Amino acid sequence: QVHLQESGPGLVKPSQTLSLTCTVSGASINNGAYRWGWIRQHPGVGLEWIGYFYHNGATYYNPSLKSRVSMSVDTANNYFSLTLSSVTAADTAVYFCARGLYCANGVCSDDWGQGALVSVSS
Amino acid sequence: DIQMTQSPSTLSASVGDSVTITCRASQSISGWLAWYQQKPGKAPKLLIYKASSLKSGVPSRFSGSGSGTDFSLTISSLQPDDFATYFCQQYDTDPWTFGQGTNVEVK
Repeated sequence: QVHLQESGPGLVKPSQTLSLTCTVSGASINNGAYRWGWIRQHPGVGLEWIGYFYHNGATYYNPSLKSRVSMSVDTANNYFSLTLSSVTAADTAVYFCARGLYCANGVCSDDWGQGALVSVSS
Repeated sequence: DIQMTQSPSTLSASVGDSVTITCRASQSISGWLAWYQQKPGKAPKLLIYKASSLKSGVPSRFSGSGSGTDFSLTISSLQPDDFATYFCQQYDTDPWTFGQGTNVEVK
């Protein structure tokens, strides 16, 4: 059973940096076959991928956020992190970490954290 | 990026009804489409992948169909637990993208 858990401050001041960590248990983020990443959901709105990576180094950042976002990985402790700089109220959202859809022998699944609400406010 | 357009945005229905949600891609995604159910305060849950394959454990009243650009999710005989928001996601082309969601509400 794979479990993902987001952690980090729930309140960030405008112009500061949002930092979240996703701790993974039950699977190794060292496994190059999996896509690990961050998805956010603005209140009452849809979902968007912020960025994702494979352990082989391939990485994607949403172009609308690319100048402000970075992800890092700690394989020794099996977690990955998100930083989003120069935040504004528009970055207020629920942030999910996830293992993207993967398939084995024709059967597919994915895994999500429970989500972390981050509010940007002074 | 591939745009995913869902309709309707809101669907009002009663227990026992059969409902259908559609999802259209801005270009062909073959059959690389997934459907999710999300309830308030929770992460989305995968229901269907590869357009029509039911994830293990998902009730058989959920079904998906389509290929290319046009897809649908049908819930036959809606149950109280099914009132939720549903999203499609294409995973044919990076970046993967979601539809804007369909809220299935009590009529």
